Amino acid sequence: GNSVTQMEGPVTLSEEAFLTINCTYTATGYPSLFWYVQYPGEGLQLLLKATKADDKGSNKGFEATYRKETTSFHLEKGSVQVSDSAVYFCALHTGGFKTIFGAGTRLFVKA
Amino acid sequence: DVKVTQSSRYLVKRTGEKVFLECVQDMDHENMFWYRQDPGLGLRLIYFSYDVKMKEKGDIPEGYSVSREKKERFSLILESASTNQTSMYLCASSLGTPGTDTQYFGPGTRLTVL
Repeated sequence: GNSVTQMEGPVTLSEEAFLTINCTYTATGYPSLFWYVQYPGEGLQLLLKATKADDKGSNKGFEATYRKETTSFHLEKGSVQVSDSAVYFCALHTGGFKTIFGAGTRLFVKA
Repeated sequence: DVKVTQSSRYLVKRTGEKVFLECVQDMDHENMFWYRQDPGLGLRLIYFSYDVKMKEKGDIPEGYSVSREKKERFSLILESASTNQTSMYLCASSLGTPGTDTQYFGPGTRLTVL
């Protein structure tokens, strides 16, 4: 079946450090891939997405590239800020109404 | 801006009680969803609705039911709450299917069943 695996957290970084959160997926067909972010006390919000192989999604300095050959969609940011502290969810969608979410990775950024 | 609101941020109920979680969206979205969020498990779909009075089971519907009498409102019902239903519940809405249109999430209701 379809599934998403993302690195376990928490991830703790100092401000201005480089961030990578790994995400790999298993899916039949050609899924769309997403990263959602959940700030403390809030619901999830879409951070970026990619709908086909080699697409790069980007938003707020975050980037992720849809890699079909490695079935991956790793999230990166060149210089994190304290305000990036949140939980990040990788997700996939293959059609219909169901989205498959990863377990989430908590990021702490220290000043 | 799309707004999805949930009736309570925190709720404490006793085992066996009937529990209603309410969700309202203000953007005339066709589709509404209920998820539960548990540590290490991410989000799991309980039920969704693609039109008024229409509902479909998600991946974990056991112990839950839903109601959508008006387009903007989607209710999750726990007929007889149990301790294993202690969780964070998230409502979402979207205009089209999740692959084509963004899902917008409410802030969540943290339910504790004692």
